[in-house]
Amino acid sequence: QKEVEQNSGPLSVPEGAIASLNCTYSDRGSQSFFWYRQYSGKSPELIMSIYSNGDKEDGRFTAQLNKASQYVSLLIRDSQPSDSATYLCAVHTGGFKTIFGAGTRLFVKA
Amino acid sequence: NAGVTQTPKFQVLKTGQSMTLQCAQDMNHNSMYWYRQDPGMGLRLIYYSASEGTTDKGEVPNGYNVSRLNKREFSLRLESAAPSQTSVYFCASSATPTGGTEAFFGQGTRLTVV
Repeated sequence: QKEVEQNSGPLSVPEGAIASLNCTYSDRGSQSFFWYRQYSGKSPELIMSIYSNGDKEDGRFTAQLNKASQYVSLLIRDSQPSDSATYLCAVHTGGFKTIFGAGTRLFVKA
Repeated sequence: NAGVTQTPKFQVLKTGQSMTLQCAQDMNHNSMYWYRQDPGMGLRLIYYSASEGTTDKGEVPNGYNVSRLNKREFSLRLESAAPSQTSVYFCASSATPTGGTEAFFGQGTRLTVV
């Protein structure tokens, strides 16, 4: 079992729809969770961080964390073609160990 | 704001050649990292430096060496390149040494070893 798992996609949604990206992790002691967006050929950039159970909203983005289920998700409301990218889930498991998932490719159709 | 700057952006090496990837950050961050990214495998940590003067191995350190030259600069050296080291390399930095805060990434180096 991978330490951080994501569906590789591609996830295809129409413009204006909600895109739902999911991530599961194996280390129950994990404390910090991050979502990075990576455009093709570019470097990852942080879009959301979440540290406690529940929802965290920032503009069109909502991160959801459920530590009991070891599950973190990212919702993108009113998806735009510019949201088309690979989304990386990253889990800080302690010390300097931050594990990245392989990423989910999102395609938003105009 | 330059953020994290890596050089070069592209490189082709022959098997057995050596090279150094350079990285510099201007955000006054204590911690710096080198990752490699391969298709389907996500980012994997090669080496990190918690603070100036310290370096430690990450998940995949074999075949690499690093130098934390000063607080700004963190270089990655391949002494004898192998085809398995073909990858995209990212340097990153973060403010705190705990590893639990946001990392800022450089633009990446696409390395091909033939």
